[in-house]
Amino acid sequence: QLRLQESGPGLVKPSETLSLTCTVSGDSISSLTSFWGWIRQPPGKGLEWIGSFYSTGTFYHNSSLRSRVTMSVDTSQNQFSLNLTSMTASDTAVYYCARKLVAPTEALDSWGQGTLVTVSS
Amino acid sequence: IQVTQSPSSLSASVGDRVTITCRASQSVSNYLNWYQQRPGKPPKLLIYATSSLQSGVPSRFSGSGSGTDFTLTISSLQPEDFATYYCQQSYDTLGTFGQGTKLEIK
Repeated sequence: QLRLQESGPGLVKPSETLSLTCTVSGDSISSLTSFWGWIRQPPGKGLEWIGSFYSTGTFYHNSSLRSRVTMSVDTSQNQFSLNLTSMTASDTAVYYCARKLVAPTEALDSWGQGTLVTVSS
Repeated sequence: IQVTQSPSSLSASVGDRVTITCRASQSVSNYLNWYQQRPGKPPKLLIYATSSLQSGVPSRFSGSGSGTDFTLTISSLQPEDFATYYCQQSYDTLGTFGQGTKLEIK
């Protein structure tokens, strides 16, 4: 059974860098059938892609966050990570990692439970 | 590609038939998905590729449309269906989401 689990700090100070890790079990992040990525949701608001990657090593970033986002992959641990720099209060959100199947769905069929990140001094 | 959902909120009763609409700013072919989110939980995929039901999702959920205009229909609302629904276009790799429709009990 596929499981994704986010880990990282729940509280980040303004201007600092957020680092989150997603640990995957039940599927390989090297799979050719899936993209993997990060989506966030500010409290009481909608969903926003942050970025994703494919097993070929291609990364995709939300253009509004691109200069602040770094994603990395550790295939030996079946984990992928997100770094988001220069955090501000508007980055307070639940951060989800998720899998997007290439086919047949082209949709986000599996999600982590999410981790709430609050930006505050 | 911008994706606009309507209505933003909806009140209905158990047993009602409800429809939620999603409109894309340009054609997304059939690359349109629907998710259900309950409070404190991650979104759950309901329908992919406009009209295909994800495994395990009740048949009272259905989707239709093509190009720029899409609908999600719940044929007979059940108590567990009161939640927020999001559409998402997957024509782009980072497919944008609609702003959500909150379905509340009347």
